[in-house]
Amino acid sequence: NAGVTQTPKFQVLKTGQSMTLQCAQDMNHEYMSWYRQDPGMGLRLIHYSVGAGITDQGEVPNGYNVSRSTTEDFPLRLLSAAPSQTSVYFCASRITGTGNTEAFFGQGTRLTVV
Amino acid sequence: QKEVEQDPGPLSVPEGAIVSLNCTYSNSAFQYFMWYRQYSRKGPELLMYTYSSGNKEDGRFTAQVDKSSKYISLFIRDSQPSDSATYLCAMSGPRSGGSYIPTFGRGTSLIVHP
Repeated sequence: NAGVTQTPKFQVLKTGQSMTLQCAQDMNHEYMSWYRQDPGMGLRLIHYSVGAGITDQGEVPNGYNVSRSTTEDFPLRLLSAAPSQTSVYFCASRITGTGNTEAFFGQGTRLTVV
Repeated sequence: QKEVEQDPGPLSVPEGAIVSLNCTYSNSAFQYFMWYRQYSRKGPELLMYTYSSGNKEDGRFTAQVDKSSKYISLFIRDSQPSDSATYLCAMSGPRSGGSYIPTFGRGTSLIVHP
């Protein structure tokens, strides 16, 4: 039981490049989400999904796309990277209704856009 | 005014001290109140969550919620150097469509010195 696994752990992109951050969980959780964490800003929700085939926007969705084709995977796509997207990205999951709070976080992806 | 306010610290205490960490909030619709611990360069880890007002205890940790004052606290008894981390509060309540999306505080950095 690996929990929530994020890849890669580190990434440097050039402005305008695209990439996909991977997130996988092996706990059969319905709810998955993506956050970014910036100094002094706390965690901000980018996108979330309540189950396969269902996604919705969070607080800061611009510049990011998601899809949820399986229960296990929830990739985050950066369409055209910008320096403002330099951040640490966390994926999280929970059983829907479990305190209605993110129960498990991945270890994060540190992204730098130059 | 941010929905959730949390003093970033750092808070420095000697080993064995009782630590009090606090958050205030403005949204009276919040129903779930959470505390996370985040070690440096790691993902957040859910410590405790409570529903509505009251206290909840788990080992050396006690969470308190005062909805009338819109104030939540996390107490750590007999603090240890291993408790040194950033502590994030989070809160959630029903939004349009019935979803519960947490709002996070900025986190308080705690340092417990031997």
